This record gives sequence, structure tokens and C-alpha cells, in this order.
Amino acid sequence: GAGVSQSPSNKVTEKGKDVELRCDPISGHTALYWYRQSLGQGLEFLIYFQGNSAPDKSGLPSDRFSAERTGGSVSTLTIQRTQQEDSAVYLCASSLLGGVGEPQHFGDGTRLSIL
Amino acid sequence: GQQVMQIPQYQHVQEGEDFTTYCNSSTTLSNIQWYKQRPGGHPVFLIQLVKSGEVKKQKRLTFQFGEAKKNSSLHITATQTTDVGTYFCAVRNTGGFKTIFGAGTRLFVKA
Repeated sequence: GAGVSQSPSNKVTEKGKDVELRCDPISGHTALYWYRQSLGQGLEFLIYFQGNSAPDKSGLPSDRFSAERTGGSVSTLTIQRTQQEDSAVYLCASSLLGGVGEPQHFGDGTRLSIL
Repeated sequence: GQQVMQIPQYQHVQEGEDFTTYCNSSTTLSNIQWYKQRPGGHPVFLIQLVKSGEVKKQKRLTFQFGEAKKNSSLHITATQTTDVGTYFCAVRNTGGFKTIFGAGTRLFVKA
């Protein structure tokens, strides 16, 4: 499809395990965002990638969280030593150039549950 | 850091009634965006406002940007059950790339 693709759609894991979440942005979009949305809450910014520029990591909640974007396309968000408070829906979005006024196109998210 | 307050947190209306959600910032905004998230879905971009005092309409939805560019509203006239969902405003952090979303207003519409 032409939209933002995220995988897996659901992930259940035990506390202490590492998880990797994947995002495939819209083809040609140079900007990519990761957000976290807890149940019934708003979106919490995590990290932003734009082209080959250094990412804006200002939203990552702890050093257990990291993200990569290889080849300017696919991105992976890694959470190490997961905790129960990491349970949330992780949303990825992309936009064409990352400009201030550009709409962000969201994927369906990965629902992460930490047991 | 940049913050945006969105009210109300939720609202229940009877189908056909009007609905308004408000976003307020303590600082002047360069622009503001509005998104809608259906239950179980992902946020979908609705509109962007840039100019002071700007008003834009999309069918039954009216979006306004305050004269001082510190507040914005989304008004839905004669709600329908298809309007159900959470409406978020979003602003870009001053000088950066971080996007700040309001907490959202969840709209319930009773048929």
C-alpha cells in the first residue's frame, strides 16, 4: 500500500526483554516521527528523523529507548529491558520534507504489552 | 518547553448538537494543525492554520486561529455519529522539530 506501514501490529513480551518495532514510511518521505500513545492519552513525541541530519532525540524517555533509520527509509525503534510502563501504542508518522506545516501521515501503530 | 492545553477532555452530545474543542498556548504559535483519531484508529490530518485570525471550513467543521496566534478552536455543527473520535491539536516546538500534541478531546455522539 501507499501508506505508512508498521510491524508488528501487536507485541506481547515479558518484562526485561528487548523489543524492536519497525516503521516503513511513505515512499519519498524524508521525515519520520515516532510517538507513544498510552491508553486514552495524547501522543508523546519520541524522536524525529529528517534526511541525513542528526535526529532529534529529545523525546526519548530513557536510555533504554533508541531508534535508527537506515538508508533514509525504514526505521526501527528499540526498547531494551522493557518495563510495564512501556506498554502503549507506538505510532510512526512520515511527512514529505519535515517542514513545519506539513501534515504527518500515521501508520496503524504497534500495540506493545509488557507482562 | 512548549505546551498546549486542550479542553474539554471529553464531551457527550446528542446527534445534531454542536461541538467545540479549544487549544491554548502560552506562547505565540507559527501554525497549528488539527487531527482526528477514530476509536482504534490512527490520527488523520484535518487541517493547518497559519494566519492570525484565520478561519477555515470543511463541510460541518470550522477551524479558527486566534488573532494573537495563541489559541485555536474546532467547531462541528450538527454532529453526526461519524464524528465520533478524538480531536487533537498539534504545534511544532519553537525552533525545533518536536511536535507537541494536545491531550485531545474525545467526542461521543448519541444517536
